[in-house]
Amino acid sequence: DVKVTQSSRYLVKRTGEKVFLECVQDMDHENMFWYRQDPGLGLRLIYFSYDVKMKEKGDIPEGYSVSREKKERFSLILESASTNQTSMYLCASRPWLTGANAEAFFGQGTRLTVV
Amino acid sequence: SQKIEQNSEALNIQEGKTATLTCNYTNYSPAYLQWYRQDPGRGPVFLLLIRENEKEKRKERLKVTFDTTLKQSLFHITASQPADSATYLCALESSGGYQKVTFGTGTKLQVIP
Repeated sequence: DVKVTQSSRYLVKRTGEKVFLECVQDMDHENMFWYRQDPGLGLRLIYFSYDVKMKEKGDIPEGYSVSREKKERFSLILESASTNQTSMYLCASRPWLTGANAEAFFGQGTRLTVV
Repeated sequence: SQKIEQNSEALNIQEGKTATLTCNYTNYSPAYLQWYRQDPGRGPVFLLLIRENEKEKRKERLKVTFDTTLKQSLFHITASQPADSATYLCALESSGGYQKVTFGTGTKLQVIP
């Protein structure tokens, strides 16, 4: 079974703190993604990575950065947490495939509250 | 700008009926369209993928259609059951580029016994 594991299920942080959300996958997938999910707005792509040390901005990258030093690990960094970053954060991975079934596998999510 | 639209209102249907969910998109040239199921407090789980050159795909009680002219996909659950109650998300992957996957906002389905 493919496993995508996010380091925390729930997190509470203070405004201005630097926050690290970690994601690890065990299937040697090339692509990894960070989304946030808010009521009425659905899943919005923050950043994604298609290889080690490679990253691409998604639709809402402002206030976030990412790190991919190893293939299995993709970290999301909130440089200075703000209350409007309170959300559910979801990590996903998928293989790099062409012409084939390339589903994304999701972690269980991290519910981050910034106070 | 690119947009993926799903009916934001919840869909309530009677057990045993067919549920039909809609996904419309604009300013995309998708290579694939996927459907996912999400239960409360959990990450989405993949259900079906359909390619741009396929009109229809089936898996057990699920059926997906893909009309690139209308820029629309329909997701059907036949003989619906209360266990089918969840939020259903469509996702697009554009052709070319870095395999970026973008999701719609999802439609909440409630199957009433």
